[in-house]
Amino acid sequence: QSVLTQPPSFSAAPGQKVTISCSGGSSNIGSNYVSWYQQLPGTAPKLLIYENNKRPSGIPDRFSGSKSGTSATLDITGLQTGDEADYYCETWDSSLSAGVFGGGTQLTVL
Amino acid sequence: QVQLQESGPGLVKPSQTLSLTCTVSGDSISSGGYYWSWIRQHPGKGLEWIGYIYYTGSTYYNRSLKSRITISVDTSKNQFSLKLSSVTAADTAVYYCARDSRKYMIRGVNNWFDPWGQGTLVTVSS
Repeated sequence: QSVLTQPPSFSAAPGQKVTISCSGGSSNIGSNYVSWYQQLPGTAPKLLIYENNKRPSGIPDRFSGSKSGTSATLDITGLQTGDEADYYCETWDSSLSAGVFGGGTQLTVL
Repeated sequence: QVQLQESGPGLVKPSQTLSLTCTVSGDSISSGGYYWSWIRQHPGKGLEWIGYIYYTGSTYYNRSLKSRITISVDTSKNQFSLKLSSVTAADTAVYYCARDSRKYMIRGVNNWFDPWGQGTLVTVSS
């Protein structure tokens, strides 16, 4: 059972917008910064968002992140078939004194 | 371009020690700008942070694994390593190393992992 809760799966059509949620608590998201990762099938995770809402160079602006209270969200606009992947949120948990990941959301682009 | 590469045995017997090394290229561990983390992913499951090391040798481990973990660094080889003792089948996973950008800020801990190694599958079986 992950400390951070994400919907297990999500599906949408090409061109649509999806919002993936990541729900936590006061000791993790509520008091620390959030990052997001994309894991394409058979590959290592790749950084999408850091510091709640910043994009590394090379990440399209179709990907955006936000945080409010004890929840964070990842928005993906203009969905493409190449966006089919698992998405994970991550933050530090001050009570556990450990980095914690969400359980992951498998995105299917129909 | 920074690259990380994990290496080590793909098969470990139960009760033995799992040993992996991460070789870093394109960046110097001893530059001190980053921490260096190990993360694992059980088959078909999510990600679990194992721990990190700083170039000075300072470490921080996940409490759930702390009694079995040792992370060390060899700055002369630009490598850092993971040892996990007394392994069981539950330790079967893909193990990743990653560069860990970590800042302790007034508003909390700010960290992210980038880049990651390609990962190496370690199976615990007799």
